[in-house]
Amino acid sequence: SQQGEEDPQALSIQEGENATMNCSYKTSINNLQWYRQNSGRGLVHLILIRSNEREKHSGRLRVTLDTSKKSSSLLITASRAADTASYFCARNTGGFKTIFGAGTRLFVKA
Amino acid sequence: KAGVTQTPRYLIKTRGQQVTLSCSPISGHRSVSWYQQTPGQGLQFLFEYFSETQRNKGNFPGRFSGRQFSNSRSEMNVSTLELGDSALYLCASSLEYGPEAFFGQGTRLTVV
Repeated sequence: SQQGEEDPQALSIQEGENATMNCSYKTSINNLQWYRQNSGRGLVHLILIRSNEREKHSGRLRVTLDTSKKSSSLLITASRAADTASYFCARNTGGFKTIFGAGTRLFVKA
Repeated sequence: KAGVTQTPRYLIKTRGQQVTLSCSPISGHRSVSWYQQTPGQGLQFLFEYFSETQRNKGNFPGRFSGRQFSNSRSEMNVSTLELGDSALYLCASSLEYGPEAFFGQGTRLTVV
């Protein structure tokens, strides 16, 4: 499959805790993005990291990229119940095509 | 600015029928991509259009087709529907092509 691997598949934490999701891939990339999806609705773009970057921050989100290991992680700090959603990594390898991972389902308990 | 609009939101069709789904991108966006999302296969890329030209397509049978109009609106068509075509079909638009894509709410297709 061209999809990347994401782990864990599901994650349940308490409000206030940090949530870490990982994404691995097999081919070289131009950039990698993270998206959030609430309960079968459309995806919302969270953050993009380019292949020459190692870390990006956006509010409570922190994304790292290790191209040598072909992996990325998304850290959500001080999680809230509203962060409950599925999170997907997506990579663009060129050629007007974006490949999505299988996603991590995050449940934040109030 | 209006977001990406997909119509209809829900659709029930019978095996063997055909279906057409519509996507209106954000104003000014010229790239439109389509994805199929199912619990078993996740998000699968269907095709991407730019200025009425298909620039890439995923590994789907020929029953899946699409087009883009001069106003950047796009349609996808699935002919001879099968039960396995039941899915959430998502459309995404971007200015040229990515990397940030804006998604519509999707069309939930159920084939019975």
